[in-house]
Amino acid sequence: IQVTQSPSSLSASVGDRVTITCRASQSIGTFLNWYQQRPGEAPSLLIYSSSTLQSGVPSRFSGSGSGTDFTLTISTLQPEDFATYFCQQSFSTLSITFGQGTRLEI
Amino acid sequence: QVQLQESGPGLVKPSQTLSLTCTVSGGSITSGGYYWTWIRQHPGKGLEWIGYVYHSGNAYYNPSLKSGAAISVDTSKNEFSLRLSSVTAADTATYYCARVSRISGNYCFDSWGQGTLVSVSS
Repeated sequence: IQVTQSPSSLSASVGDRVTITCRASQSIGTFLNWYQQRPGEAPSLLIYSSSTLQSGVPSRFSGSGSGTDFTLTISTLQPEDFATYFCQQSFSTLSITFGQGTRLEI
Repeated sequence: QVQLQESGPGLVKPSQTLSLTCTVSGGSITSGGYYWTWIRQHPGKGLEWIGYVYHSGNAYYNPSLKSGAAISVDTSKNEFSLRLSSVTAADTATYYCARVSRISGNYCFDSWGQGTLVSVSS
């Protein structure tokens, strides 16, 4: 199952509302997770099962979608949110795949 | 809170075997029903899932991998390992170990090591 993110890069300002999309090549229910990776760091889990916020993640992050189309929204960008975001599908648990990433820049 | 730490050589020669270990602290590798996984990231690129292992030793691998991967677990040391045979320059990447949480059939990676860069070069 392929997952395609868009855009591949995005420029925004502090305080902006930003949306990143992820499209799966076939229906995956809600088996879609989102990660944030800051430069030089490991990825960290933001949202799992399409819309459930991981413990400790700020409420300005939200996720939605089911089937093939999913979105990650950051309601009010903060300076620490400038990073790369990845989606990941686990509908096929023996062939887990990630999106190519969206780089969010100032 | 569980912590993971990768260890192993940072340089491997082509055709040799890459070996990495992930040490888990702050919790037992046998508890909670978790899988334990390896993921890599080529320089400046996206993430590639390599495979995961259960504490029983059962392991599952990405069918798209060209290099032969083997993931094993040592419960007495609370660690799991990755071996990648016959490596080439294409295996140069940062390798991450992580914990796999299974929530209603959804597999997500909820704790990660810091990553270790492995270069394949003669």
